[in-house]
Amino acid sequence: EAQVTQNPRYLITVTGKKLTVTCSQNMNHEYMSWYRQDPGLGLRQIYYSMNVEVTDKGDVPEGYKVSRKEKRNFPLILESPSPNQTSLYFCASSWREGQPQHFGDGTRLSIL
Amino acid sequence: EDQVTQSPEALRLQEGESSSLNCSYTVSGLRGLFWYRQDPGKGPEFLFTLYSAGEEKEKERLKATLTKKESFLHITAPKPEDSATYLCALRSGNTPLVFGKGTRLSVIA
Repeated sequence: EAQVTQNPRYLITVTGKKLTVTCSQNMNHEYMSWYRQDPGLGLRQIYYSMNVEVTDKGDVPEGYKVSRKEKRNFPLILESPSPNQTSLYFCASSWREGQPQHFGDGTRLSIL
Repeated sequence: EDQVTQSPEALRLQEGESSSLNCSYTVSGLRGLFWYRQDPGKGPEFLFTLYSAGEEKEKERLKATLTKKESFLHITAPKPEDSATYLCALRSGNTPLVFGKGTRLSVIA
């Protein structure tokens, strides 16, 4: 089954404790991206990757890092999380930029 | 700056009561307008892509249309299982995809 898998689905943590949200896709897609979804603000792109070893900033990259060492994986790293990063996060992938994206089921992060 | 505005924010329909959701936009050089459906606790699910004014796409009870300023998602004879949040997003140039805030649709049996 074609899917984008995110882990964990839920996480409660504290300010400053580094965390990683993993994302894996099994569709051999070149393009992957991370979004955050906040009430009243909609989905906003954090980072994206056109292919392996190629990443770039989206609209709201501050406080986040990503890497793309393999085609299937695109982890999101919060080196020093803060409460304003409490949000619902989605990973997505597509064949190429501009093509319809497949989304994971989301990771709800709460940073106290 | 590219902008996407969806209306209404929320819509409540009786089963079988057809209606339309609106996505108005301002963009320089539209390269694609996307409609997604999002169920509670799930990620958005792709429905349609429209590329040029006059284009229409259909899938079951849904029909998406596009003009130079807005897109409509028409829902014909909706059923309770059509209840979801519907998102539109647009792509222009090399900028990130811009999403609207969505319309929350409830269809009551």
